[in-house]
Amino acid sequence: QLQLQESGPGLVKPSETLSLSCTVSGDSLSSSRYSWGWIRQPPGKGLEWIGTIFYGGSIYYNPSLKSRATISVDTSKNQFALNLNSVTAADTAVYYCARQSEYSYAYFDPWGQGTLATVSS
Amino acid sequence: EIVLTQSPATVSLSPGERVTLSCRASQSIGPYLAWYQHKPGQAPRLLIYDASNRAAGIPARFSGSGSGTDFTLTISSLEPEDFAVYYCQQRSDWPRLTFGGGTRVDIK
Repeated sequence: QLQLQESGPGLVKPSETLSLSCTVSGDSLSSSRYSWGWIRQPPGKGLEWIGTIFYGGSIYYNPSLKSRATISVDTSKNQFALNLNSVTAADTAVYYCARQSEYSYAYFDPWGQGTLATVSS
Repeated sequence: EIVLTQSPATVSLSPGERVTLSCRASQSIGPYLAWYQHKPGQAPRLLIYDASNRAAGIPARFSGSGSGTDFTLTISSLEPEDFAVYYCQQRSDWPRLTFGGGTRVDIK
């Protein structure tokens, strides 16, 4: 059964880089034909798609993040990562990693349980 | 950016009742809409894809309909485990995926 687990520092200072990892079990990122994504949810707000990395290496980001996000894959650890630079309080959110669904690369299922990242000095 | 507006924001119902949730898109998205269920502290779960197709393992009491700009998710008879927040998401405007603000289904 596929499982995803997010990890990372719970607290990041303003202007620094938020670095998160998603550990995948039940599938191998080195051979998977699926795409993998990051989604976040600020406190009290709705969900926001951050970006998706495809098995061929193509990566697509939400334009609203203005090139601050970078998604990468580490096949040796079976993880994919999100780096978000120049963070502000507006980046405080629960961050979810997810695999594309069986039906479309643009829907997500399953998801991890999420990790809270707080931006504060 | 395609804005998805969900209504109502919150609805309070009893188990066994029927509920219909709405998702309206700011422009036509064809059938390219999904619904997710999200319970506190848990991973969101895909319920419906492309407006009306149930994802694998989703009970038949969940159904979706709509096309263009107006979509609905119906739960025919609420079970205790259905009390959660429901989100819609469009994929028509790839790679500008957007979600709705959510509808909370509370126990009355």
